[in-house]
Amino acid sequence: NAGVTQTPKFQVLKTGQSMTLQCAQDMNHEYMSWYRQDPGMGLRLIHYSVGAGITDQGEVPNGYNVSRSTTEDFPLRLLSAAPSQTSVYFCASSQGNSPNYGYTFGSGTRLTVV
Amino acid sequence: GQSLEQPSEVTAVEGAIVQINCTYQTSGFYGLSWYQQHDGGAPTFLSYNALDGLEETGRFSSFLSRSDSYGYLLLQELQMKDSASYFCAVGSRSTLTFGKGTMLLVSP
Repeated sequence: NAGVTQTPKFQVLKTGQSMTLQCAQDMNHEYMSWYRQDPGMGLRLIHYSVGAGITDQGEVPNGYNVSRSTTEDFPLRLLSAAPSQTSVYFCASSQGNSPNYGYTFGSGTRLTVV
Repeated sequence: GQSLEQPSEVTAVEGAIVQINCTYQTSGFYGLSWYQQHDGGAPTFLSYNALDGLEETGRFSSFLSRSDSYGYLLLQELQMKDSASYFCAVGSRSTLTFGKGTMLLVSP
């Protein structure tokens, strides 16, 4: 099993560009989420999904969109990149429709916006 | 909303025991989780406490007191490979909120 796969691993964007961070899991997990990690800030929840077709906002959703058309995939879209979105992005999944059973994290996407 | 407090850094020597504390304020509490993250890597799940008491998994144990909104992670027989950041996280029905992390430095 591959677990949670994130692509790309590294990305540099110019201010104003858009892009999609891909996340796929092969564990048939219902729950998926996106976090960003900044130095000294811990992990902050951007968006989450409790199942296909259902998404909701987390703590820091502004500037990001998500969709969940299948159980396996949960892409994160940056609409118009800003330097404040420079961060490490982690996708995570959990069995059931709750995050409390233990996340499996992807390896992360390191994004720099210049 | 939720908020968590944990120390920013803890140091210890190989073979010792260390305790990392976590206090939280939350609504709709489901449980307290702990994650380990090595530098440059992804977080990995260590433990989850939904009820009061101590949960033991090998060298690691986690404790929860719901009445005190308090928990801790206990690491025994410390090894150099335990040098990492440790995050407590409080769970609601649908979200998991992380603390800012405790960096554990293990020295020989």
